[in-house]
Amino acid sequence: EAAVTQSPRNKVAVTGGKVTLSCNQTNNHNNMYWYRQDTGHGLRLIHYSYGAGSTEKGDIPDGYKASRPSQENFSLILELATPSQTSVYFCASGGGQGNTEVFFGKGTRLTVV
Amino acid sequence: GDSVTQTEGPVTLSEGTSLTVNCSYETKQYPTLFWYVQYPGEGPQLLFKVPKANEKGSNRGFEATYNKEATSFHLQKASVQESDSAVYYCALSVDTNAYKVIFGKGTHLHVLP
Repeated sequence: EAAVTQSPRNKVAVTGGKVTLSCNQTNNHNNMYWYRQDTGHGLRLIHYSYGAGSTEKGDIPDGYKASRPSQENFSLILELATPSQTSVYFCASGGGQGNTEVFFGKGTRLTVV
Repeated sequence: GDSVTQTEGPVTLSEGTSLTVNCSYETKQYPTLFWYVQYPGEGPQLLFKVPKANEKGSNRGFEATYNKEATSFHLQKASVQESDSAVYYCALSVDTNAYKVIFGKGTHLHVLP
């Protein structure tokens, strides 16, 4: 079964601190995505990748960096966390060409205080 | 740019009544359209997809027709159940940037027993 695993599942960070959210997929998918989910905004794309070593900006990349060191792993990095980045973050993977199913992890709840 | 607009929620229905969640999209490309469903504590999961204009997709009693002329993809179910309570997302991907999947803001459905 397709699997996308996110860690940690919950995180409390201090303003100005560095936060790294990790994602691992066992689907052997080329594409991986990071979304944030907020009430009133739905799912918004932060960064995505179409293979190891590649990262692309999504619709709301400011304040975030991404890293794809391997086919399986895709990280989201907040160098200087701010309270406005308090949200639920979802990682997802997909086979390619965008018109195939995208599989999501269970999400990471991040609170920046 | 490419976008998706759907019924704002929450939508509250009684068991056995019918459901329509409106979805309209904007793109100058050739989209594949999706409906995703998200249950509490989980990530979104695919309900069904329709890659071709004027075709219908369906799953678990839900259905939607890809109406190219009206640029719509409304979700319908004849008789909802309490277990259908969830958040529903309309989404699209387009051929020329097939790595991006764009989601609507989501519609929260509550079904009362």
